Amino acid sequence: NAGVTQTPKFRVLKTGQSMTLLCAQDMNHEYMYWYRQDPGMGLRLIHYSVGEGTTAKGEVPDGYNVSRLKKQNFLLGLESAAPSQTSVYFCASRPSGGAGEQFFGPGTRLTVL
Amino acid sequence: GESVGLHLPTLSVQEGDNSIINCAYSNSASDYFIWYKQESGKGPQFIIDIRSNMDKRQGQRVTVLLNKTVKHLSLQIAATQPGDSAVYFCAENAGGTSYGKLTFGQGTILTVHP
Repeated sequence: NAGVTQTPKFRVLKTGQSMTLLCAQDMNHEYMYWYRQDPGMGLRLIHYSVGEGTTAKGEVPDGYNVSRLKKQNFLLGLESAAPSQTSVYFCASRPSGGAGEQFFGPGTRLTVL
Repeated sequence: GESVGLHLPTLSVQEGDNSIINCAYSNSASDYFIWYKQESGKGPQFIIDIRSNMDKRQGQRVTVLLNKTVKHLSLQIAATQPGDSAVYFCAENAGGTSYGKLTFGQGTILTVHP
């Protein structure tokens, strides 16, 4: 099993450009999450999904959109990138049910100039 | 909103020493806590977790202690090794219909000197 994978690993955008980050998991997990991590801070939840076709806002959703058309994939979109969105983005997944470990991908480092 | 925080942002120890990383939480409704290790350039890796009906849980070289009275969580690493150098995060789950969402602390940088 590859676990949780993220593409791309690195990306540089200009202000106003758009892009989509892809997260894929092969563990048949119901729940998936997108976080951002900024220097000196913990991970902050952007959006999450509790199943195919469902999404919900997290702590810092503004400027981002998400889609979960297939159970194994969770896409994070930036329609008009801003320098404040320069960050490292992590995707995670876990089975449904009560609290438990989330499995993380390796991250995408995004720079917006 | 309520959040999880850490007392010390950095910890420096000698190889072979025991390390203790602390975490304070404020949400009394949290029923699950977890520690992650993050090495440079990588995603967080699970270390150990504990549910609120326990006050101690042990793993291989690691122990998590939970004190609900003072809302405090700690991670103890025995015989710390250079490979333990990383950032350590605690996180909490608020319970109920939270869909497993975790609130993370800011992290503690652990540096182990040979």
